[in-house]
Amino acid sequence: SQQGEEDPQALSIQEGENATMNCSYKTSINNLQWYRQNSGRGLVHLILIRSNEREKHSGRLRVTLDTSKKSSSLLITASRAADTASYFCVPPFGGSNYKLTFGKGTLLTVNP
Amino acid sequence: NAGVTQTPKFQVLKTGQSMTLQCAQDMNHNSMYWYRQDPGMGLRLIYYSASEGTTDKGEVPNGYNVSRLNKREFSLRLESAAPSQTSVYFCASSAGTGSYQPQHFGDGTRLSIL
Repeated sequence: SQQGEEDPQALSIQEGENATMNCSYKTSINNLQWYRQNSGRGLVHLILIRSNEREKHSGRLRVTLDTSKKSSSLLITASRAADTASYFCVPPFGGSNYKLTFGKGTLLTVNP
Repeated sequence: NAGVTQTPKFQVLKTGQSMTLQCAQDMNHNSMYWYRQDPGMGLRLIYYSASEGTTDKGEVPNGYNVSRLNKREFSLRLESAAPSQTSVYFCASSAGTGSYQPQHFGDGTRLSIL
């Protein structure tokens, strides 16, 4: 199986700043998903980017995908305290989503 | 819209006791999953059900059993709880098992085995 490896493991910023998290994976994919987990809560699906897309936006989120480098990034603009959470990139394994494997994530702390 | 509901939210068991964790979804999803989350380990898939009437093992199935009771409900049973099963358990569902299907998660059951 494969899982995304997020970098950095932890990131601390001030409210209003932008936050960038990176992800690397090992094998070819047809899409990649990003999830968020607030403390004490379940994971929430944020965005899915397909392999033929280089960039995708959703509100204050911008995700990029570079399949040649097997990497993705998540940018959160104008961060808020409520963005404090762990963020996971999730590449599917074998084309079946029940093989989704989650790494350790990036813990983002947004200080007010 | 409740989404995925897990019960109970917290539970403390003694070693050797049995317990069933309940999960229900109201999104008419075909596929359901059970994960456990441990510090430093990420989420690990225990069992999944691709559709009503089917179940399959995930990455860490030992010590667990599951039942897909109907399309809405998917339960996880610990027959003889062990301290190593202390964890946070998450149930998730998705419309299908295609890789483009996002998963929707419940808020977890925090289980301690003494």
